[in-house]
Amino acid sequence: ETGVTQSPTHLIKTRGQQVTLRCSSQSGHNTVSWYQQALGQGPQFIFQYYREEENGRGNFPPRFSGLQFPNYSSELNVNALELDDSALYLCASRGGSYGYTFGSGTRLTVV
Amino acid sequence: TQLLEQSPQFLSIQEGENLTVYCNSSSVFSSLQWYRQEPGEGPVLLVTVVTGGEVKKLKRLTFQFGDARKDSSLHITAAQPGDTGLYLCAGASGTYKYIFGTGTRLKVLA
Repeated sequence: ETGVTQSPTHLIKTRGQQVTLRCSSQSGHNTVSWYQQALGQGPQFIFQYYREEENGRGNFPPRFSGLQFPNYSSELNVNALELDDSALYLCASRGGSYGYTFGSGTRLTVV
Repeated sequence: TQLLEQSPQFLSIQEGENLTVYCNSSSVFSSLQWYRQEPGEGPVLLVTVVTGGEVKKLKRLTFQFGDARKDSSLHITAAQPGDTGLYLCAGASGTYKYIFGTGTRLKVLA
């Protein structure tokens, strides 16, 4: 299986709700990272998982959490959604070489 | 805090013109990548540069990594409408994190 796929592509949630975003990484890629990209900005690093363990985190609060599974899939969970969480959420996987393969993202709108 | 600043932020040019996009930081990066992102899509990796002073060419695109590995440039020769997009540089910070630049939005008019 090639490429990185994310679901859903678009999502609308209400402030205070919880959301789970999913990512299916490229086969053989043990490293997956999640990024938040606000409109007109570059992606901001949320966290990274390597072989199902979190091994790096950006400046995001604990209500942003994740999981990585043995089948190269992963999840990003956000609790207590805030209006500022509205953004494009990108999943990227890497199999050891330089550079990431990005998915097309999930556009989350919090109202 | 490591930051990557890109300039210009916006660029609108005519087809056939040349352009250069800059990516600057006060921090040293072990490697630097350039990505292009189109609306509704994730960034797509164009190139990775690792060695200070390194120059890489990808058809009409020329990438250079600064000697001190703090800055990089992307030069496009004879731009085409298909080059339109958001260009992002990203520097490797440590072993697990990439810092993305602020982005340069390029529009090439036919």
